[in-house]
Amino acid sequence: DTGVSQDPRHKITKRGQNVTFRCDPISEHNRLYWYRQTLGQGPEFLTYFQNEAQLEKSRLLSDRFSAERPKGSFSTLEIQRTEQGDSAMYLCASSPDGGGYYGYTFGSGTRLTVV
Amino acid sequence: LAKTTQPISMDSYEGQEVNITCSHNNIATNDYITWYQQFPSQGPRFIIQGYKTKVTNEVASLFIPADRKSSTLSLPRVSLSDTAVYYCLVGDLLNAGNMLTFGGGTRLMVKP
Repeated sequence: DTGVSQDPRHKITKRGQNVTFRCDPISEHNRLYWYRQTLGQGPEFLTYFQNEAQLEKSRLLSDRFSAERPKGSFSTLEIQRTEQGDSAMYLCASSPDGGGYYGYTFGSGTRLTVV
Repeated sequence: LAKTTQPISMDSYEGQEVNITCSHNNIATNDYITWYQQFPSQGPRFIIQGYKTKVTNEVASLFIPADRKSSTLSLPRVSLSDTAVYYCLVGDLLNAGNMLTFGGGTRLMVKP
């Protein structure tokens, strides 16, 4: 296992289009998180899964955003009707059930540019 | 989650020791202090975590005074490759759903 994988690394889309990102966490990690990071800012929490259950959602996650984690393995984050303000780096992280004791492992992110 | 305050940026030279201090006056009893490092176009990387006194690993040391209202990340003998943003986070990370809250971080520039 080589860590948290995210695909694609870069995505350019036109305003109004839908986009979907994928995250493959470390296989033995039950917890999976999505964050968004804009230029010059720290990452902001979007949502959290414990296995397949989505347990927490930030108010940043508008109704245009949806995240899934079927079977508790990989996760997808979909943005519908993209807006220019959605341009950001979308980061996925995973951790074992011990949570913060072991730190979170982040992927390299998907950089979204909405034109 | 406790709010943290750290310098926006710092400059250093290769071979020097760098100390980045983070203030967290409202830290709670169950809160841990965690530091992450982030390079451009990469996700943050866990560096070190502690609760009190001193923690040391192969990358850094973390000093936490008795009142735990601040902490200092110490990077020994930095190199150019240590140029990155360093984030201090404070929170009860053991509880499910307690996500990480990042501030703006400290941008460390290491010069030759």
